[in-house]
Amino acid sequence: GAVVSQHPSWVICKSGTSVKIECRSLDFQATTMFWYRQFPKQSLMLMATSNEGSKATYEQGVEKDKFLINHASLTLSTLTVTSAHPEDSSFYICSATGGGTSYNEQFFGPGTRLTVL
Amino acid sequence: SQQGEEDPQALSIQEGENATMNCSYKTSINNLQWYRQNSGRGLVHLILIRSNEREKHSGRLRVTLDTSKKSSSLLITASRAADTASYFCATDSFYGGATNKLIFGTGTLLAVQP
Repeated sequence: GAVVSQHPSWVICKSGTSVKIECRSLDFQATTMFWYRQFPKQSLMLMATSNEGSKATYEQGVEKDKFLINHASLTLSTLTVTSAHPEDSSFYICSATGGGTSYNEQFFGPGTRLTVL
Repeated sequence: SQQGEEDPQALSIQEGENATMNCSYKTSINNLQWYRQNSGRGLVHLILIRSNEREKHSGRLRVTLDTSKKSSSLLITASRAADTASYFCATDSFYGGATNKLIFGTGTLLAVQP
């Protein structure tokens, strides 16, 4: 149980275009989803936290108008990278938590590799 | 930055040897977790240790926690080539709401030579 999927697993796009990444909880209801970004050979950096039905909370330094997050249902959150540029190329990972454990365990998706040309 | 630090940044050992990774963090925590990540893949949860625990075991893994020093260590015994991966610690601190955020350490890249 507690499986999180991401789609697509990798995407290549041209500079200036927008890219949407989906994060789905397959077998549980995710009240909260998190989006992380990971540059090569670096750690995961939290970008934003989203609760179902409300606006996402962005970490300091993350542009909310560039990284649009929608958490419209208890099983789906989307991250849209708007007007992507080469510096946005990164590995984007989502996680989801739905309670059921005493510490709100986060279940991670497999990640999406974005390459902006 | 609240990010924790891990050392060493990289570790190369022979199969059968033990591998020890250390993590230091900056804030008070509810728990500390260790994750594994194979190159270009998602995260695998290894073990969680609560702030009131000092040591925990899971198979070949042993985790210690010293809250007075704000540090933790992960020991992998009898390492195998398949243990080759990056290992991250992550601290879970209560930020005053229902959602606990994870702050990841810088990671240790472990290479186990066959």
